[in-house]
Amino acid sequence: QVQLMQSGAEVKKPGASVKVSCKASGFTFNDHAMHWLRQAPGQRLEWMGWINTGDGDTRYSRDFQGRVTIASDTSANTVSMELRNLRSADTSVYFCARLAGNAWYLDYWGQGTLVTVSS
Amino acid sequence: EIVMTQSPDTLSVSPGERATLSCRTSQSVSSKVAWYQHKPGQAPRLLIYGASTTATGIPARFSGSGSGTEFTLAISSLQSEDFAVYYCQQYSSWPYTFGQGTRLEIK
Repeated sequence: QVQLMQSGAEVKKPGASVKVSCKASGFTFNDHAMHWLRQAPGQRLEWMGWINTGDGDTRYSRDFQGRVTIASDTSANTVSMELRNLRSADTSVYFCARLAGNAWYLDYWGQGTLVTVSS
Repeated sequence: EIVMTQSPDTLSVSPGERATLSCRTSQSVSSKVAWYQHKPGQAPRLLIYGASTTATGIPARFSGSGSGTEFTLAISSLQSEDFAVYYCQQYSSWPYTFGQGTRLEIK
């Protein structure tokens, strides 16, 4: 069965970076784009960006451009998301998710990783 | 940006009863709406896509309807495992956006 297993919770200081990983299993990794979203406390889910695991092409949402890097390791069926220059507003649960196919909905999600930014 | 507005914010329903959740979009999205269920500490789960197509493995008590700007998720006979937060999402126009969620709680 399809599973997306994310790395554990992180606590970071303002200005630091965080890297969250997501290991995929149960499907052909290169057949699906992998996306990253986040949800701050009391806020809506928001898209951060995605990677086409087939060719490594990435796209980032405007709000995160320049601060985020999404990468994939096809040998390990893993995608990662690094967010730099953290601030308290980045305290959120971060999710990886698989794009279903040709339409932009997400058919499988990771369990989420809480990143807390605090001095 | 298309704004998704869900109602109500919280819905209290007894097990075995029917629940109806609504989602309104600020402009037409045709049928490009998905619904997700999310329980604390778990992965969100896709329920419905294309406004009315049930995702693989989702029980038949879940159904979606609507087009344009008004959408509904119905759960015909609530089971204990259905109490969760439900989100709608539009994928008609980038940035793809989510509603604020409806919390379905036990009455």
